[in-house]
Amino acid sequence: EIVLTQSPGTLSLSPGERATLSCRASQSVSGSYLAWYQQKPGQAPSLLIYGASNRATGIPDRFSGSGSGTDFILTISRLEPEDFAVYYCQQYGSSPRTFGQGTKLEIK
Amino acid sequence: QVQLVQSGADLKKPGASVRVSCKASGYTFTKYIIHWVRQAPGQRLEWMGWINAGDGNTRYSQKFQGRVTITRDTSANTAYMELSSLRSEDTAVYFCARDSLSLMDVWGQGTTVTVSS
Repeated sequence: EIVLTQSPGTLSLSPGERATLSCRASQSVSGSYLAWYQQKPGQAPSLLIYGASNRATGIPDRFSGSGSGTDFILTISRLEPEDFAVYYCQQYGSSPRTFGQGTKLEIK
Repeated sequence: QVQLVQSGADLKKPGASVRVSCKASGYTFTKYIIHWVRQAPGQRLEWMGWINAGDGNTRYSQKFQGRVTITRDTSANTAYMELSSLRSEDTAVYFCARDSLSLMDVWGQGTTVTVSS
């Protein structure tokens, strides 16, 4: 099973700042089948990025993803108040599908 | 609009079983796979298995093999997840999610299952 490790565990930033979240896989993610999800308190996760770098429908362009192999990055270029949430990476290239432990993005 | 609506919270005793339902609307139920994912307190999201709503084929995570059963009722556009031999560590929020091109693109609202004596 592929283990995903996200860093940092918590990121404290102010609105307008740039956020960089990391996701490292224990082995290469097949076909860059890596997704990012956002989860707000009391809600289900929602899809942000798929295929490592493709924005899901309706996702603003301040969200971008990059990376391949074992190292992936989610960047939020200018933080809006609604972006403060928990972010999870997920690999869907091999079974079982696995998730990272999450990065909590909090307001500084 | 595309929606997955899950059954309400449940409290179970250790050793019991729980069944959570996931009713789909706004799309053709039988054309998609439904996943089940759980989130225990303070833990990462954990994939449990999926069902092809069209042909009923299933695949389970090895961790839950033997304890989880995922079924569907096409006449009711509903998928079900049953977890047996419950223990306290199964206390979690359980989500269903639709699979679109291998992505979990639509999620249910989640169902809290509490296992306590």
